Amino acid sequence: DAEITQSPRHKITETGRQVTLACHQTWNHNNMFWYRQDLGHGLRLIHYSYGVQDTNKGEVSDGYSVSRSNTEDLPLTLESAASSQTSVYFCASSESGNQPQHFGDGTRLSIL
Amino acid sequence: GQNIDQPTEMTATEGAIVQINCTYQTSGFNGLFWYQQHAGEAPTFLSYNVLDGLEEKGRFSSFLSRSKGYSYLLLKELQMKDSASYLCAVRDPDGGYQKVTFGTGTKLQVIP
Repeated sequence: DAEITQSPRHKITETGRQVTLACHQTWNHNNMFWYRQDLGHGLRLIHYSYGVQDTNKGEVSDGYSVSRSNTEDLPLTLESAASSQTSVYFCASSESGNQPQHFGDGTRLSIL
Repeated sequence: GQNIDQPTEMTATEGAIVQINCTYQTSGFNGLFWYQQHAGEAPTFLSYNVLDGLEEKGRFSSFLSRSKGYSYLLLKELQMKDSASYLCAVRDPDGGYQKVTFGTGTKLQVIP
């Protein structure tokens, strides 16, 4: 069965360090998304991609970057981790806009 | 931009019916999703509405009124396992409707 996997599931790091969260999907979807979820804010879009070599900024993109070198992967990088980036991060993919997004299990990131 | 409103919390009794509302304001509309999210888990797809009216799927139904910018999710014969957050998401006209904007979610508690 097709799936979308995130790694790691949990991570603790220190402020100022670079952190990369992995997202891998076997749905063969062109659309991929990164969200963060915080109490009181719901799911907020960080970056998204509509295909290989395509990346776009979402509403909360400052301090984050992504790259899309193949269809399956969209890694999210925190260039210099800040305590404000402590959150739960979800990756998702979809076939098109009128199809539902499939979500990974999430990464709980704590920055101390 | 888009503005999506949902009640923050609701409580309902096992076996009863509950209606979770979602109102939205958007520069263009092309569909609305409902997702369920249990605590500590990823969101999962429940329903998609693009035309006015009621879509029924087992115990869950979703309604849309495009003229009123309004949708609701109706849960019948509530079970304890329905305790979860319910997220409304509207397709975003920015970028060709390929991405969505999520509301902050409604946390439903089902009590015996």
